[in-house]
Amino acid sequence: DTGVSQNPRHKITKRGQNVTFRCDPISEHNRLYWYRQTLGQGPEFLTYFQNEAQLEKSRLLSDRFSAERPKGSFSTLEIQRTEQGDSAMYLCASSLLDEKLFFGSGTQLSVL
Amino acid sequence: QQQVKQSPQSLIVQKGGISIINCAYENTAFDYFPWYQQFPGKGPALLIAIRPDVSEKKEGRFTISFNKSAKQFSLHIMDSQPGDSATYFCAASMTGGYQKVTFGTGTKLQVIP
Repeated sequence: DTGVSQNPRHKITKRGQNVTFRCDPISEHNRLYWYRQTLGQGPEFLTYFQNEAQLEKSRLLSDRFSAERPKGSFSTLEIQRTEQGDSAMYLCASSLLDEKLFFGSGTQLSVL
Repeated sequence: QQQVKQSPQSLIVQKGGISIINCAYENTAFDYFPWYQQFPGKGPALLIAIRPDVSEKKEGRFTISFNKSAKQFSLHIMDSQPGDSATYFCAASMTGGYQKVTFGTGTKLQVIP
């Protein structure tokens, strides 16, 4: 068990560019979550997968954001046409059947 | 809409002292209340959690006190140590279905020697 892995750890991009982040959950966990955390705030829910099905998306997730979890394993989060307001830490978490979320170390996105 | 309110925003405690962080929630459907600890550059890690059928839960130096009627809960860190210096988040969720956890805004704790 190596925990939840997120790549890259840091991403700097120019406004208008597309970026993609990857999350590898704990192998037996069927639930996967994406959260966004800005400086001085708690994580905010973005979206949830159970296996490969995306079951809920937050209103925070504009149409520039898309997430996938093919085959119910790893997940990707893509942001198209990035804006400076997208700068944040993007956190992935996974869980089995209970309430315990295991978070990765996040991807810190800076949009210049 | 901020469903979980947390205070204080920051806290400085001397080594050996008691750290107390308070949270209040609005949604009475919440029935699971975890606390997460986050170190710089890391994701949050589950520290301790409580359900509303008990008023207190203790794990080592960490205790959650829960007041269902007031819709409030708090984290007490006894014998605070410099290694406890981190940001602490209270949170709430509803069991059943999936865990859409709602987090508070965090408390940055600094324990000074």
